[in-house]
Amino acid sequence: SQKIEQNSEALNIQEGKTATLTCNYTNYSPAYLQWYRQDPGRGPVFLLLIRENEKEKRKERLKVTFDTTLKQSLFHITASQPADSATYLCALDPINTGTASKLTFGTGTRLQVTL
Amino acid sequence: DVKVTQSSRYLVKRTGEKVFLECVQDMDHENMFWYRQDPGLGLRLIYFSYDVKMKEKGDIPEGYSVSREKKERFSLILESASTNQTSMYLCASSLRTSLTEEQYFGPGTRLTVT
Repeated sequence: SQKIEQNSEALNIQEGKTATLTCNYTNYSPAYLQWYRQDPGRGPVFLLLIRENEKEKRKERLKVTFDTTLKQSLFHITASQPADSATYLCALDPINTGTASKLTFGTGTRLQVTL
Repeated sequence: DVKVTQSSRYLVKRTGEKVFLECVQDMDHENMFWYRQDPGLGLRLIYFSYDVKMKEKGDIPEGYSVSREKKERFSLILESASTNQTSMYLCASSLRTSLTEEQYFGPGTRLTVT
């Protein structure tokens, strides 16, 4: 069956370090993969999208890689700050049918950045 | 900025009650979605709509129905609320393009069914 795995354990890192979060998937052939940030009690906020033919995407301190052979995406936050503390969700679009993309979300990884 | 609003942040209902959750977006998006989010299970798609009066079932539609009479408004209906429908409900919208379809989420409604 199709599965998206994100590390359910919280990731604790020190301010200034690079945080790396992992999203693994099985039995999918996603057209693209998205990353969202979710703060407690709030809806997710879109961060980045990477397509299957792209290996890497950057936006300010964020970098996403997408390895369709390994079936894995890595999400990096460089020079992390306490304000980056949140839960980060990855989402896959298995098939873009043209009507609406039905994203399937991972359960998310909580990042805690300490001083 | 895209704004997605939901009618209530917190809602408490009794078992068997009919519950309406309303969602409004102000950016003329074609697509709208309803999810529920539970600890350990993540976001699960209940229903989505790609046009007025059009709807499609998501992964967990049982016990729910939806209505989209206007482009900006998408309603989720629990015909007879049950305790296992206690959850955080999130509405989202997206613009249908061939380039990107990031979803914009509302703040969520935390529903408790007693």
